[in-house]
Amino acid sequence: QLHLQGSGPGLVKPSETLPLTCTVSGGSISSSNYYWGWIRQPPGKGLEWIGNIYYSGTTHYKPSLKSRVTISVDSSKDQFSLNLTSVTAADTAVYYCVAGRPGDAFDFWGQGTMVTVSS
Amino acid sequence: DIQMTQSPSTLSASVGDRVTISCRASQSVVSSLAWYQQKPGKAPKLLIHQASILESGVPSRFSGTGSGTEFTLTISSLQPEDFAIYYCQQYSTYLFTFGPGTKVDIK
Repeated sequence: QLHLQGSGPGLVKPSETLPLTCTVSGGSISSSNYYWGWIRQPPGKGLEWIGNIYYSGTTHYKPSLKSRVTISVDSSKDQFSLNLTSVTAADTAVYYCVAGRPGDAFDFWGQGTMVTVSS
Repeated sequence: DIQMTQSPSTLSASVGDRVTISCRASQSVVSSLAWYQQKPGKAPKLLIHQASILESGVPSRFSGTGSGTEFTLTISSLQPEDFAIYYCQQYSTYLFTFGPGTKVDIK
């Protein structure tokens, strides 16, 4: 059973980069059995898919965020990461790291990391 | 992008009621449709995937139907622990999208 633990700064200044990391346990990040992703939820609002990374290293991002988002994997640490550049207050949200089986939905979720963008 | 809509946005119901939530996709997602339940302060939980397959451990009072562009989540007899927000999500293409959510609250 996979367990995902997200981590990162709770506060980021406008125009800076938001770095988040998700540590995977109970399975290998190098496994072809899963794909990895990030979802966010602004306070009081719905869920927004950010992007996914697959076993092959292929990434797919939400078009409106694509120019600012990078998702990557560090196999040596069983971690995957999100970098979101040039943040604004609109990027304030709970960020969830997630995992799913290829061709299927997200059946594993991290606990969520609240990130506030403010000076 | 495929756009997802849900109706109603809020649903007031009583314990024991049969509840139905609808989800519509702007184009066919075949059966690549999931339903999630989210309670306050918690991460969403997968209830149903592939439109109608119940996730392991999810009570059988939950069911999903539909294909193409029209989908339904039904709770056959609402329990106190079912008051939550429900989201549909398509994963038919590489660009995933969520519905806006349906809040089920106490009547």
